[in-house]
Amino acid sequence: AQSVTQLGSHVSVSEGALVLLRCNYSSSVPPYLFWYVQYPNQGLQLLLKYTTGATLVKGINGFEAEFKKSETSFHLTKPSAHMSDAAEYFCAVSEGAQKLVFGQGTRLTINP
Amino acid sequence: GAGVSQTPSNKVTEKGKYVELRCDPISGHTALYWYRQSLGQGPEFLIYFQGTGAADDSGLPNDRFFAVRPEGSVSTLKIQRTERGDSAVYLCASSLSAGAGANVLTFGAGSRLTVL
Repeated sequence: AQSVTQLGSHVSVSEGALVLLRCNYSSSVPPYLFWYVQYPNQGLQLLLKYTTGATLVKGINGFEAEFKKSETSFHLTKPSAHMSDAAEYFCAVSEGAQKLVFGQGTRLTINP
Repeated sequence: GAGVSQTPSNKVTEKGKYVELRCDPISGHTALYWYRQSLGQGPEFLIYFQGTGAADDSGLPNDRFFAVRPEGSVSTLKIQRTERGDSAVYLCASSLSAGAGANVLTFGAGSRLTVL
């Protein structure tokens, strides 16, 4: 079965600093990978996804992620954090094209 | 509708009671998913529908949990004899289809269930 590990349940950065949220996955087949964001009392919103092709994927709100097969990683980055980026972020892998398997989440806090 | 709608948004019940949670997916979306999110955890898969039939119910924790989607649109998650451990946010999501890969799921805001 596929699985996802997010390193760091809580990440804190200063406003304007680089955001790096780590995600590693295990999969026996070429994976489809996703990052979702969850704001308080709201549903999960898709940030970006990797299916095939270019390994650097750009998403909404200035986020991007790079698929590295050799490292089985799909880390999420943003060059300059904004206060509005404070939220919970979930990495997910598509299992059998039928459902998503999520990591445990990383809570991002932005310090002014 | 414009998004995935879930009702109720909050439900408080007593241990042993029966609960129904409703999900109204985006119009035209054939695939519908239920997930459960416990405090501090990522969403865990419960069940997935393609049309009216449950294509995969491997995530349902036990036979107290059941879900239906009789007309291929609205779905109801039913929990019998609720236990305190059932307390969680129940998320519903839908997607246009369930074709190979690239599942873009649109999630509802969730139904928060508290079992006292």
